[in-house]
Amino acid sequence: DTEVTQTPKHLVMGMTNKKSLKCEQHMGHRAMYWYKQKAKKPPELMFVYSYEKLSINESVPSRFSPECPNSSLLNLHLHALQPEDSALYLCASSQDLFTGELFFGEGSRLTVL
Amino acid sequence: QKEVEQDPGPLSVPEGAIVSLNCTYSNSAFQYFMWYRQYSRKGPELLMYTYSSGNKEDGRFTAQVDKSSKYISLFIRDSQPSDSATYLCAMEGPPGGAGSYQLTFGKGTKLSVIP
Repeated sequence: DTEVTQTPKHLVMGMTNKKSLKCEQHMGHRAMYWYKQKAKKPPELMFVYSYEKLSINESVPSRFSPECPNSSLLNLHLHALQPEDSALYLCASSQDLFTGELFFGEGSRLTVL
Repeated sequence: QKEVEQDPGPLSVPEGAIVSLNCTYSNSAFQYFMWYRQYSRKGPELLMYTYSSGNKEDGRFTAQVDKSSKYISLFIRDSQPSDSATYLCAMEGPPGGAGSYQLTFGKGTKLSVIP
């Protein structure tokens, strides 16, 4: 099983809403990532978890709050987002923090009204 | 100069053609080199992963890394319409070194294979 599963696939929210994106992998990977991708741009790193601890936060605004409840799950909590936050949010995992072999999920397409 | 340069295309080729996709980079610390394929509105899919210089072949795909020239390539033989996608190169530095812990992506090349 080389799958990273993300839910929901699509999400529309208002600027005052609170919502969460979820990610799950069962490959035994110890590193998990959140990326943001705008149209026709490469993915941009947001957060990295290694062994369930936050390792990297790429100066992401506090309206994005990551959580790693266990080694298989990664959440991204969203609150008071702006329309410019509309993007494809990608979860990825790798065996370890710097193996380079990242496996991505299909993404959650977020629209902020 | 950007760390990773990749021609965004678009690149259109007839079915059966050999496709050559390329990236150049400036950070000599990069050691891990990857190619991802991304279909429209989907997540990137890892195609090829190479460490340091050399060639790697997987079916119709061949990845080449030339560290002395800071140049990587992906060749697709006998291209198919199903290969139509955006191809992203990505690189990472050694653990604890410059460019480590995260991938640096190229902008991606959009490829269309015409039947």
